[in-house]
Amino acid sequence: GDSVTQMEGPVTLSEEAFLTINCTYTATGYPSLFWYVQYPGEGLQLLLKATKADDKGSNKGFEATYRKETTSFHLEKGSVQVSDSAVYFCALLANAGGTSYGKLTFGQGTILTVHP
Amino acid sequence: DTGVSQNPRHKITKRGQNVTFRCDPISEHNRLYWYRQTLGQGPEFLTYFQNEAQLEKSRLLSDRFSAERPKGSFSTLEIQRTEQGDSAMYLCASSLAWEEDQPQHFGDGTRLSIL
Repeated sequence: GDSVTQMEGPVTLSEEAFLTINCTYTATGYPSLFWYVQYPGEGLQLLLKATKADDKGSNKGFEATYRKETTSFHLEKGSVQVSDSAVYFCALLANAGGTSYGKLTFGQGTILTVHP
Repeated sequence: DTGVSQNPRHKITKRGQNVTFRCDPISEHNRLYWYRQTLGQGPEFLTYFQNEAQLEKSRLLSDRFSAERPKGSFSTLEIQRTEQGDSAMYLCASSLAWEEDQPQHFGDGTRLSIL
């Protein structure tokens, strides 16, 4: 079945450091890929997405590139801020023959803490 | 866009009691999803609706769980005879079936604690 694997956390960085959170996936067909962020006490918010190979999703300084050859969708940010402290989830939406199967499959999440 | 609304935010109940949660999706969204999230894990899919039709149910959804979306708008998730293992955050999301990539918009969840 479909699965998403994220790098083990938690990740602790100083402000302005470079961030990478690794995400790899297993899926049949050509899934759409997402990063969601969850701040304390809140629901998940869509951070960015990519629908096909080599697409780059970007938002709020975060980027991720859909790499079909390595089945990866790593999240990066060049300079993190304290306000980026949250839990980050990688997810896929399976697709087959143009038909989307509605459920998202999530990774286990990576806790990011950024210190001043 | 008022977002996805879930009620209640927190529910504490004794084992064996029944509980019901409500989700109000974004008004024009025709798809509605339920997920369960336990501490330190990512959300796990439970079920989803397109309009009033329940299109898929996970094996996680035991016969004690039932979800409805009677008029294709709000949805309810009921858990009967609750057990300790039902303690979790229950998340609702909605999307447009015909929107590219169908990004799902999540509510803040209902946290269930079983005593």
